[in-house]
Formats: sequence, C-alpha cells, structure tokens
Amino acid sequence: DVKVTQSSRYLVKRTGEKVFLECVQDMDHENMFWYRQDPGLGLRLIYFSYDVKMKEKGDIPEGYSVSREKKERFSLILESASTNQTSMYLCASSPVGGAYEQYFGPGTRLTVT
Amino acid sequence: KQEVTQIPAALSVPEGENLVLNCSFTDSAIYNLQWFRQDPGKGLTSLLLIQSSQREQTSGRLNASLDKSSGRSTLYIAASQPGDSATYLCGPRGGTTDSWGKLQFGAGTQVVVTP
Repeated sequence: DVKVTQSSRYLVKRTGEKVFLECVQDMDHENMFWYRQDPGLGLRLIYFSYDVKMKEKGDIPEGYSVSREKKERFSLILESASTNQTSMYLCASSPVGGAYEQYFGPGTRLTVT
Repeated sequence: KQEVTQIPAALSVPEGENLVLNCSFTDSAIYNLQWFRQDPGKGLTSLLLIQSSQREQTSGRLNASLDKSSGRSTLYIAASQPGDSATYLCGPRGGTTDSWGKLQFGAGTQVVVTP
C-alpha cells in the first residue's frame, strides 16, 4: 500500500513565524503535491514537484515556498505565517505521468494566531 | 481554467438506498478523472480512477461513469451503508500542456446514510 505521511496532524503557530510542513512518501513516486483545503473553496494546488529539486507553482503559490532535496520528501514552507494561512494542508504523491492515481496524506490542520 | 461543480452539495439517504453523485467540469480536455472520499478532518482516499477513453469503471459497490464530451461524471454507490457517510470529491486531471497532470477539485458532496 502507498503511504503518504505528514509530520504533524495539528499545528499552532504565531503570526510571523517560519513554518515547515513535511511530507514523506514511501512508494518512490516522482510527483508530489501540496494543496490547501478551505470551507467553500475546496482543494487548491499550492505547488508541485515532478522530480528532485524541481518545482512548479500551482494556483495559489503566494506566501509559500517548497523544497525537494530527496525524492521521498517534499516540504512546504511558510516564510512568515499569516492568519489567512490557517487551513488544512494536504500532501499527495503519484507516479510519473498523468495516468496514475494521486495518493493523499492525512493532512495537517494549521492554525496561525 | 477548469471549473468543477458537484451536485448536490449534500445528500441524506436511508441505509440501503442507492446513491447518485454528480460531477460536471467545463474543460473536456482531461486525461482522466479520480473520485475520492474524505472523512471529517482526514485526508482523501482514492476510490476510482477512470481514464478519458473509458465510459465506466467499477469497484465493488462503486461504479463511475464518464462522458468526457459533455463534461460529466457520475459516481453510483449501490446499497448504501452508514459507513459510506463522508464527503465525496471528484477531480478531473488536466490533459493540455498547461494543465498536464494537475487535478482540479469540486467542492464535494456531503453524504449521510442513516441506519
């Protein structure tokens, strides 16, 4: 079974802090994704990566950056957290190409106060 | 930009009834479409992946149909059970150069199955 894990289920941070959200997958997938999910807005893609050290912006990249130094790990970074970044963050992975399913992690509920 | 609509937004049925969940999308140039379920506060669990060349895909009590040209997919769940209570999301995957590989999501249909 594919397993996607996220470093925290719940996280509380203060405005202005630098926040790291970590995602690890164990299936040697090339593609990894970060989404945020908000009531009424659904899931929106923040960033994705097709390979190590490669990244592409999704629909809402502002205020975020990412890092992929190893194939299995994809990090989302909030350089200076703001209250409007309070959300559920979901990581996903899939094999290379468009034909395959995306597998999701359990999510991190981030609250910025 | 792909717009995805799921109707109804919420659905409550008694146990044993069949469920019909609808998904429509504006850009028919998709590679495939994935259906997910999401339990409260949890991540997404993949249910079915239907390729753009397919009309139907089945897994147990679940059946998904796809009419790519009209931008519609339907998820059928037969003989519903209380354990089917969840939010169901559809995600068409882009097939053009700009949208390649990216999923766009609908807001979901929240399903409650009462015993």
